[in-house]
Amino acid sequence: GAVVSQHPSRVICKSGTSVKIECRSLDFQATTMFWYRQFPKQSLMLMATSNEGSKATYEQGVEKDKFLINHASLTLSTLTVTSAHPEDSSFYICSAEDRGLRNGYTFGSGTRLTVV
Amino acid sequence: QKEVEQDPGPLSVPEGAIVSLNCTYSNSAFQYFMWYRQYSRKGPELLMYTYSSGNKEDGRFTAQVDKSSKYISLFIRDSQPSDSATYLCAMSTGGSYIPTFGRGTSLIVHP
Repeated sequence: GAVVSQHPSRVICKSGTSVKIECRSLDFQATTMFWYRQFPKQSLMLMATSNEGSKATYEQGVEKDKFLINHASLTLSTLTVTSAHPEDSSFYICSAEDRGLRNGYTFGSGTRLTVV
Repeated sequence: QKEVEQDPGPLSVPEGAIVSLNCTYSNSAFQYFMWYRQYSRKGPELLMYTYSSGNKEDGRFTAQVDKSSKYISLFIRDSQPSDSATYLCAMSTGGSYIPTFGRGTSLIVHP
């Protein structure tokens, strides 16, 4: 089945630094990928839709200058958290739509970001 | 009122029990309904998806959709400790396929 690889799985960084998270579709092409944020015991909150070859579409309230998204190829999207602060600590998950699953979204394994 | 409501639990059951997980929703435009399982510190994995109303069965899992009541359910038969996870419902409209998620129900199956 469709596989989405996400790394790193865990990262700890200092306040003010930037962190890049990668999301790759391994056996299918994904023109669209999605980035979510999840707080403990909370639902997945869509942050942005990443479109190959064009600008990402951000959800209301998500700072596009803070969460930089690049989708340079059909199999890779990256999320860069710039000038990270402790309140950015969260679980970030990417997903891609596998048309073969018909409305099934395959998720990456997530990245636990801790900003100290 | 949130678009999708789901009791976070935790729901604790003995091994072998039948588990019932539920979600309610308010948007009558939802047509696609999904259930995801998420283990701790992992990404969600798709368990079941259904279109419109009705039942769908896959092994020990049965998904039910009642659009008239805006209520969906996931039943797990003969539950196992390995079923212990958070189960998220998700749904989407025909126009936009980006799903809206419930907050998830934590299930604990104890031996």
